[in-house]
Amino acid sequence: EVQLVESGGGLVKPGGSLRLSCAASGISFDYAWFDWVRQAPGKGLEWVGRSKRKIDGGTIDYAAPVKGRFTISRDDSKNTLYLEINSLKTEDTAVYYCTTGVWLGQLFFDYWGQGTLVTVSS
Amino acid sequence: DIQMTQSPSTLSASVGDRVTITCRASQSLTSWLAWYQQKPGKAPHLLISKASNLQSGVPSRFSGSGSGTEFTLTISSLQPEDFATYYCRDYDTYFGQGTKVEIK
Repeated sequence: EVQLVESGGGLVKPGGSLRLSCAASGISFDYAWFDWVRQAPGKGLEWVGRSKRKIDGGTIDYAAPVKGRFTISRDDSKNTLYLEINSLKTEDTAVYYCTTGVWLGQLFFDYWGQGTLVTVSS
Repeated sequence: DIQMTQSPSTLSASVGDRVTITCRASQSLTSWLAWYQQKPGKAPHLLISKASNLQSGVPSRFSGSGSGTEFTLTISSLQPEDFATYYCRDYDTYFGQGTKVEIK
């Protein structure tokens, strides 16, 4: 069974930095892509970015609103995905999810973690 | 970047109603169209992949259609457990802003 467990959220002051982690199990990590998705309180889902598989070039795509302050990385040896956020703003307050998907033949399976809450406040 | 626009933003309906949500992409999709359901405090749940493929375990009252840049999600007979927020997504990237289905 695929499990994604996010951690690293908490209360941070504006201007600060934070690194979130997403530990994956039950999946061939180095053959998987991963997204970060966030959701501000009472708002919709917002795609943050994607870490592609090595066989797809291993590149990182970012959503336009977060380019420059957000950095996605992965450690395939630790089965862990990371999201580093710098110069935190109050509008970065959100639940941050990691998510991935797997095709098994014609069937697609979509997996989400439980999310980790980041609160940016002075 | 692609923009995904859903309509309506809020929909008031009664149990048993047929409900349709529209999703329009500003350009051709980078991948394929997904529909999610989200209930308060929970992670999103994938209902439909590739615009019209019903995920395993999802009730057959849900259906998806469309191609190119216009897509629809239809719930043929709304049930009490269907009151939730629905999102479309160009699967490799952006989400629509969501459609909240409320009790009329």
